This record gives sequence, C-alpha cells and structure tokens, in this order.
Amino acid sequence: GIQVEQSPPDLILQEGANSTLRCNFSDSVNNLQWFHQNPWGQLINLFYIPSGTKQNGRLSATTVATERYSLLYISSSQTTDSGVYFCAVYSGGGADGLTFGKGTHLIIQP
Amino acid sequence: DADVTQTPRNRITKTGKRIMLECSQTKGHDRMYWYRQDPGLGLRLIYYSFDVKDINKGEISDGYSVSRQAQAKFSLSLESAIPNQTALYFCATSDSKTGIRELFFGEGSRLTVL
Repeated sequence: GIQVEQSPPDLILQEGANSTLRCNFSDSVNNLQWFHQNPWGQLINLFYIPSGTKQNGRLSATTVATERYSLLYISSSQTTDSGVYFCAVYSGGGADGLTFGKGTHLIIQP
Repeated sequence: DADVTQTPRNRITKTGKRIMLECSQTKGHDRMYWYRQDPGLGLRLIYYSFDVKDINKGEISDGYSVSRQAQAKFSLSLESAIPNQTALYFCATSDSKTGIRELFFGEGSRLTVL
C-alpha cells in the first residue's frame, strides 16, 4: 500500500515563529487531507488538498502531486497551535479510506 | 452538537468483556469508517462501510466486528476485549456523491482494557 512519511517528527518553537511541516507519499493520490489533533485528542480538518495551494488564516498548504509531497505552513504560531499534525492520503487502490502518516508533534512555547 | 457523535467517549473495561462503541452522524453521508489510534502513531483503518448492506475489512480488522444498522449509524464491537486493544477509536464519514472522499471525524472514544 501507499506509504506516508511526515517530517519533522517533533518541533518546538516559540510563539510567533513560522513553521513548515512536510508530507511525502509514495504513490499518486486522489485525496490528501491535513488534520490537527488537539491536546484533547480531537481531530480537526485543516485542508482537503490533493493538489494546488489553499490558505485559511495563518495556515496554508501546498501539494505538488507530480512530486508526491505536501507542505503545511503555520505562520505567527500561537500556543493553541500545539498538538499533532497529520497528513492522510487516499491513492484509489485497495481499501477505501485514508492512510495516515505518523504525524508531526508541534509544541509552541509562550 | 457534533455532526459525528461517538458513544461512549471514555470506557474502562476488563479483559474478556464484550464492548460496543457506537457512532451516529447527521451529515447525511453514505460512507462510514472506524479507525484506531495508538500512542505516537497515526490512525489505522479497522472497517468501513459504503452503505447499510456493505461492510469491508480494513488494515487491522482481527478481533473486531461492525454493524451498519442504518445509514446514520455504524457500531464497532470487541467480542472479547484484550489489553492490546487499549486505544483511541475514531469514527469517520464521507459523502460519495461529492466524488472527493473528504473524511470527517468524530471526537473519539478512549478505550482502556485492563
């Protein structure tokens, strides 16, 4: 099946800093989503982005499907941005549903 | 109110007990999924269903069963729980009519098997 690798695994930043999280995948994808898992365990949809660029406030994402990677940008980080960020993809073969990476654990310090 | 509701949110049980986790949704989506998350890992697919009469195994279905009682309801059962089934379980939905397979998750059910 498709492989999803996220980097870095851990990231500690000061409030106000910018960050870039990366997701590499091993095959072409029909769906790519970014999620934020908050400290209470809830999964929050950030972006549905199988290709192209999207922005939502301080967050933006870019997927370059031909090169099999996606980037999540967080600008002017706030402590509430802390948590785990997951990239998940669907390649169109095998079982339905998303294949998840192991996530990037982000800690924003005040 | 959440569009995808899971019950119970937290459960502690003993080895050998039967456990059912329930999921209901008000989004009108036809596809439903159960995922499991272990500490430090991403989510892994247990079962999924395209409609009431359709059930499919995912990556890690051993030890689990599911029932799709209605389009809006999808339950996950552990017939005889064991400690390594301790995990955070998520239900998710998607709408095949959109053609884009975007998934929406419930708030999770934390299960501890002693």
